Amino acid sequence: AQSVAQPEDQVNVAEGNPLTVKCTYSVSGNPYLFWYVQYPNRGLQFLLKYITGDNLVKGSYGFEAEFNKSQTSFHLKKPSALVSDSALYFCAVREPNTDKLIFGTGTRLQVFP
Amino acid sequence: NAGVTQTPKFQVLKTGQSMTLQCAQDMNHEYMSWYRQDPGMGLRLIHYSVGAGITDQGEVPNGYNVSRSTTEDFPLRLLSAAPSQTSVYFCASSFPDREGQETQYFGPGTRLLVL
Repeated sequence: AQSVAQPEDQVNVAEGNPLTVKCTYSVSGNPYLFWYVQYPNRGLQFLLKYITGDNLVKGSYGFEAEFNKSQTSFHLKKPSALVSDSALYFCAVREPNTDKLIFGTGTRLQVFP
Repeated sequence: NAGVTQTPKFQVLKTGQSMTLQCAQDMNHEYMSWYRQDPGMGLRLIHYSVGAGITDQGEVPNGYNVSRSTTEDFPLRLLSAAPSQTSVYFCASSFPDREGQETQYFGPGTRLLVL
């Protein structure tokens, strides 16, 4: 069965510092991986996705994610965090041959001024 | 485009009551889905639809019904509300991009409290 794991419930980082939000996956076949962000009292917004090609995927708001097949990871990164990046971040994997997404439990990112 | 819209934003029900959560999209997306979001559990798929007239069960379908009579609308019905259905409900729709992969767009959510 396909699954994703987000090992950290919360990540705290100072503004201006680099941030990493971790995600590992377990899939059969080629993984299709996604990151979504949820701001307070809002729906999820698409950030980026990995389908194939370059292991470093660039997305919205300056975020990027690095796909590592050997470590089965898809960590979300940003070189310099902003207070406005504080939100709930979800990693997701697409179930093969379907349009269904399987979500991780989410990681709350808190950026302190 | 309004995107994905959901009504109501907030609802309080008594145990045993029924209600319908509305979801509509104006992007002509074929794929639509309903999720519930609970603390510490992420988003779990309730039901989904790959097109008008076609629906299927997700991970947690019990206690919920759906129908898809048009491309635009995908209502979620709670048949007899239970406190365990207290949650935030999100509707999403998607379309295939140039690589044939779906990117899902989410509505703002409906917060449901069952007493």
